[in-house]
Amino acid sequence: EAQVTQNPRYLITVTGKKLTVTCSQNMNHEYMSWYRQDPGLGLRQIYYSMNVEVTDKGDVPEGYKVSRKEKRNFPLILESPSPNQTSLYFCASSLRGRLEAFFGQGTRLTVV
Amino acid sequence: AQKVTQAQTEISVVEKEDVTLDCVYETRDTTYYLFWYKQPPSGELVFLIRRNSFDEQNEISGRYSWNFQKSTSSFNFTITASQVVDSAVYFCALSEVDYGGSQGNLIFGKGTKLSVKP
Repeated sequence: EAQVTQNPRYLITVTGKKLTVTCSQNMNHEYMSWYRQDPGLGLRQIYYSMNVEVTDKGDVPEGYKVSRKEKRNFPLILESPSPNQTSLYFCASSLRGRLEAFFGQGTRLTVV
Repeated sequence: AQKVTQAQTEISVVEKEDVTLDCVYETRDTTYYLFWYKQPPSGELVFLIRRNSFDEQNEISGRYSWNFQKSTSSFNFTITASQVVDSAVYFCALSEVDYGGSQGNLIFGKGTKLSVKP
């Protein structure tokens, strides 16, 4: 089954404790991205990657890192999480030349 | 700058009513794509439709229909004979096109929460 898988689905952590949210897709998509969803703000792009070893900032990249060492994986790294990063995070992927983005199930992160 | 505005924050209707969700966009690009996504209470994002800027034909899919008008920069979504299962947050989104002709960053509106009561 074609899918984008995020882990974990739910995470509560403390300020400053490094964490990684994993994202994996099994569709051989070149394009992957991370969004955060906040009430009243909709979804905003954090980072995106157009292919292996090619990443770039989205609209709200501060406080986040990403890497794309393999085509299927695009982890989101929070080196020192802060409470303002409490949010619902979505990973998405799409095939170059195609226009439909597939989204993961979402990761609800709470930083206390 | 690109922007998507969904002026309706929340809409409440009674089952079987028709409801239209508004979406107005801004872009300087001549080639762009418009999308609607549904987010049910379970939280996942479900793709509903994609339209490119050269295709102004309206589309109907069952009880769903979309009205794309470049003249007013609008891409409205109508649900006919609404049902309780239609209750969700609906997002309109705009995408630029990268150099390879692929979808770029999705610019989302803030969403419209639709509640359909029995």
